[in-house]
Amino acid sequence: AQSVTQLDSQVPVFEEAPVELRCNYSSSVSVYLFWYVQYPNQGLQLLLKYLSGSTLVKGINGFEAEFNKSQTSFHLRKPSVHISDTAEYFCAVTSVISGNTPLVFGKGTRLSVIA
Amino acid sequence: EAQVTQNPRYLITVTGKKLTVTCSQNMNHEYMSWYRQDPGLGLRQIYYSMNVEVTDKGDVPEGYKVSRKEKRNFPLILESPSPNQTSLYFCASSPTSGGPWETQYFGPGTRLLVL
Repeated sequence: AQSVTQLDSQVPVFEEAPVELRCNYSSSVSVYLFWYVQYPNQGLQLLLKYLSGSTLVKGINGFEAEFNKSQTSFHLRKPSVHISDTAEYFCAVTSVISGNTPLVFGKGTRLSVIA
Repeated sequence: EAQVTQNPRYLITVTGKKLTVTCSQNMNHEYMSWYRQDPGLGLRQIYYSMNVEVTDKGDVPEGYKVSRKEKRNFPLILESPSPNQTSLYFCASSPTSGGPWETQYFGPGTRLLVL
């Protein structure tokens, strides 16, 4: 079974500052990794995903994440945040092996961007 | 517009009164899923469906039922709601047969309060 740990439940950051949201996963098999964002009062939408290939993945809205297999991490970064990035961010993992394997989500990190 | 819709968006009910939350998608997706989101717990999968007439339990299926009679619809049924089912519910869908690499598209959520 897979599991995901998001190390920070809340991250406050000033506008235009860089941010990193941390995610570690646990799995005995190869995985696919995702970051989803949930803006206030909305459903989740995909930011980016790692399936294979380059370990640096670029997503929407200037976000990127780096897959580190040895550290079992998939941290999300943005070099300069905007007020509009205020949202909750979820890291998720699923197994490569079976198409029936559901997404396992972390508990979320609430990013608050301060003007 | 490609979307996942849920109804109702908000619902207050009493213990034991059967209710149904509808979910519909217009993207011809085979895979559909229900999640519940609770503070500090992230999203947990309730049920999923790989295709019409094919459903299976997720991580927290107790107290819920689903059906998949048509490809576009995946209703969530609470036969006898209890206060511990107070939560925010999301329906999601993805193309093909829910291969783990696929992006899931989420509905806007249904906020349920059971008194």
